[in-house]
Amino acid sequence: EDQVTQSPEALRLQEGESSSLNCSYTVSGLRGLFWYRQDPGKGPEFLFTLYSAGEEKEKERLKATLTKKESFLHITAPKPEDSATYLCAVQPGGSNYKLTFGKGTLLTVNP
Amino acid sequence: NAGVTQTPKFQVLKTGQSMTLQCAQDMNHEYMSWYRQDPGMGLRLIHYSVGAGITDQGEVPNGYNVSRSTTEDFPLRLLSAAPSQTSVYFCASSWGLAGGRRSYEQYFGPGTRLTVT
Repeated sequence: EDQVTQSPEALRLQEGESSSLNCSYTVSGLRGLFWYRQDPGKGPEFLFTLYSAGEEKEKERLKATLTKKESFLHITAPKPEDSATYLCAVQPGGSNYKLTFGKGTLLTVNP
Repeated sequence: NAGVTQTPKFQVLKTGQSMTLQCAQDMNHEYMSWYRQDPGMGLRLIHYSVGAGITDQGEVPNGYNVSRSTTEDFPLRLLSAAPSQTSVYFCASSWGLAGGRRSYEQYFGPGTRLTVT
């Protein structure tokens, strides 16, 4: 059974204080790993797809990396507007569609 | 493009009532799906469709029906609402293999918050 574990469950940072969120996964093959951002009362917003170990993607203050067992979402010099829940999901090999989500990390950035 | 749209945004039902949650996408995506999101549980797949006329069950399908008569629309029907179906429901879509794009990231709608009393 595919499993995704995100840690920590909640993270509070001061503005400018860089940190990382972790996504550990167990999946039968890996077609892709996805990161989403979710604001309160909204649907998840797609951020990144990673396909193979060693791959990295960046967008503004966010950088996602992937190894064979986990992914990290690095947040550099965060701002209060980066506050959100960050979700990780994996797609198993052999599936074009199925996603298994983690429970998310609630990030709060204080000014 | 409007992307993925869902209606209604909020709904209150009484136990035993039925209703349909609407979902539409204007991106010509091949794949559409329904998730529910509950506190502490994460997003769980209810039903999905890989094209018009093709649907299948996800992780938590009991109590829900779907059909997909067009590429654009994928309604979710609650047959006889129960308090355990109180949740936030999200519809999502992706290209999948459509048009040779091989793009699997899913795009989500804004959600429907359902309360069953």
